[in-house]
Amino acid sequence: AQKITQTQPGMFVQEKEAVTLDCTYDTSDQSYGLFWYKQPSSGEMIFLIYQGSYDEQNATEGRYSLNFQKARKSANLVISASQLGDSAMYFCAMREGTTGGGNKLTFGTGTQLKVEL
Amino acid sequence: NAGVTQTPKFRVLKTGQSMTLLCAQDMNHEYMYWYRQDPGMGLRLIHYSVGEGTTAKGEVPDGYNVSRLKKQNFLLGLESAAPSQTSVYFCASSYLPSRGRVADTQYFGPGTRLTVL
Repeated sequence: AQKITQTQPGMFVQEKEAVTLDCTYDTSDQSYGLFWYKQPSSGEMIFLIYQGSYDEQNATEGRYSLNFQKARKSANLVISASQLGDSAMYFCAMREGTTGGGNKLTFGTGTQLKVEL
Repeated sequence: NAGVTQTPKFRVLKTGQSMTLLCAQDMNHEYMYWYRQDPGMGLRLIHYSVGEGTTAKGEVPDGYNVSRLKKQNFLLGLESAAPSQTSVYFCASSYLPSRGRVADTQYFGPGTRLTVL
C-alpha cells in the first residue's frame, strides 16, 4: 500500500485565489513528521512546511498552511493568495519513527500546480 | 552558508562506465541521504548515513555504493552504469532526527541530472 498518496496529478488555480493540495498518509507509528516540498521547473527541492504528529496546532509558514487531520490521516497543503511563482510541482512526504532507522522520507508522486492570470 | 551542494550538475555516461557524485553540506548535519527522482515516481531513497563512517541501504540501493569518510561529505558511486540509472539524483542532509521542525527537516541539494546511454 502507498504510504503517501497525492490524488491530484495536476491542479489549476487563478492568481490571488487559495488552493488546497491533498495528501493522505498511512503509518502505524505514533511519532512521525509530515512535510511539503516545492519543486519549481528549475528542479531544486524547496522545503515549505512541517507538521509533527504530536503538534496540536496546524503548521503555518507565511502563505502556506498545513491542514492536519490526524484521525483521517490527511495533511493537506493550503496556499493562500496564489502567485504566478507558485507554479511548480508539490510533494508531500512523511518521516516515520525516530532514531535508529535513519530519518528516511517517503514521498508522494506529486501534484503539478499551475497558477493562471 | 552554501547549504547542500552537489557536483557535477549534469553528466552523460556510456553503459558500463563508472562515476562518483559528490555531496557536501556546511550545516554540521549528522545525517545525509541520496535519493533518485524518476518521472511520475517522486523521490526514492538509495542510501543514507547516520554519521561519519556509517552507511545504510535505502529503498533502491542496487547498483550504487556510498561512502561517508568526512561528516560534511557523502559520495555516491556507480561502478558500472546502466540505462536504468538515468535519473535526477538528490542529496539531502538533516540533524539527528527528533521531534520538531528544525531537527526533522531534510534540506536538499540542487540535484545532478545523469543520463546513461
